[in-house]
Amino acid sequence: EIVLTQSPTTMAASPGEKVTLTCLASSSVNYMYWYQQKSSASPKLLIYYTSSLASGVPDRFSGSGSGTSYSLTISSMEAEDAAIYYCLQLTSTPYTFGAGTKLELK
Amino acid sequence: QVTLKESGPGILQPSQTLSLTCTFSGFSLSTYGMGVGWIRQPSGKGLEWLANIWWDDDKYYNPSLKNRLTISKDTSNNQAFLKITNVDTADTATYYCARMPYYFDYWGQGVMVTVSS
Repeated sequence: EIVLTQSPTTMAASPGEKVTLTCLASSSVNYMYWYQQKSSASPKLLIYYTSSLASGVPDRFSGSGSGTSYSLTISSMEAEDAAIYYCLQLTSTPYTFGAGTKLELK
Repeated sequence: QVTLKESGPGILQPSQTLSLTCTFSGFSLSTYGMGVGWIRQPSGKGLEWLANIWWDDDKYYNPSLKNRLTISKDTSNNQAFLKITNVDTADTATYYCARMPYYFDYWGQGVMVTVSS
């Protein structure tokens, strides 16, 4: 099973601040996927195939990485970005999610 | 417009079988490459993938749930199903279904399931 380790576990950012979230895989994966979850809502796809922006997602979000190291970047934090962010690997079953990073507004 | 909606019993007792239904629209599970997956989330915790079913009836399961899972589909009625046998309190969670044309893009709103005696 591929284990995904997200860091930090929790962080706070000020409006306008650049935010970088990290996801490390225990084995190399082909792509990484990123989801945003607010309150009790269902997860929302942000990034697919490591760096492709999902439809309707603001372009302040971007993804990068390869092999075992991936990141999600928010170029300029906005209040609406406060949420929990999860990474997901689909390279091998069982598909696995990271434990999540909780991003708060400072 | 793609939509998915989960339905389930709400509450059940330990050792019972949990039956979940995902009713969807805006796509077909007979389309080449299309799949539907089930993911669950205990309250306040992270996401756990459970199972996937594909257009060709191929099925993937999370081995952590051993042989307790059965996934199936009814293509004619645009539904996917998940059964979990011998439930216990650890199966209390919100259960989501999601469309998967190579990745989970659209998710349902989720259905809360409580296992309690």
